[in-house]
Amino acid sequence: LAKTTQPISMDSYEGQEVNITCSHNNIATNDYITWYQQFPSQGPRFIIQGYKTKVTNEVASLFIPADRKSSTLSLPRVSLSDTAVYYCLVALYSGNTPLVFGKGTRLSVIA
Amino acid sequence: GAGVSQSPRYKVAKRGQDVALRCDPISGHVSLFWYQQALGQGPEFLTYFQNEAQLDKSGLPSDRFFAERPEGSVSTLKIQRTQQEDSAVYLCASTNAFQRENQETQYFGPGTRLLVL
Repeated sequence: LAKTTQPISMDSYEGQEVNITCSHNNIATNDYITWYQQFPSQGPRFIIQGYKTKVTNEVASLFIPADRKSSTLSLPRVSLSDTAVYYCLVALYSGNTPLVFGKGTRLSVIA
Repeated sequence: GAGVSQSPRYKVAKRGQDVALRCDPISGHVSLFWYQQALGQGPEFLTYFQNEAQLDKSGLPSDRFFAERPEGSVSTLKIQRTQQEDSAVYLCASTNAFQRENQETQYFGPGTRLLVL
């Protein structure tokens, strides 16, 4: 499984765009990139998944460069409720295989 | 619809006591996972069921840990003779995926926070 590296923590003011970059230098050809969000006292929640280029949904955007050795989760106009830990995962399949989480990035949004 | 539920949400046990943690997956979900999350860390895989079959238990840290899913729905994680290092949040996740080649997301429950004194 590809190892991922992401910042331990980030701070942001409300209303700003937040970009969290994850490095996965040894990503395999068929691996997908998935991001999960975890609030205190809750289980992780799927945010977004992509293979290449850009993916956007109602929550976030995911930018993946051509070499796929990194990816950037972009959260537009964050609010206090976006304070959470964000995990970047790289795996061939995510439905029927154990997810491998790193320590994640702890995002703190302040007013 | 209802998500994954876990009970109890909090459990305090004395060292040496046995505990049982329950997971109710989303109705109809075939696959069920248990994870352990230590304070400040990401979740770590414990074991995986497809229906009632336990297909992978490579993550169970010792033979004191036992999981079952006898009817392919509700699952129980049992820890015998609890130790202080067992203190963690135990998360359950389920998916509708039954084929290996699947990108279905895993849906997590809120977890059971176990504290062993």
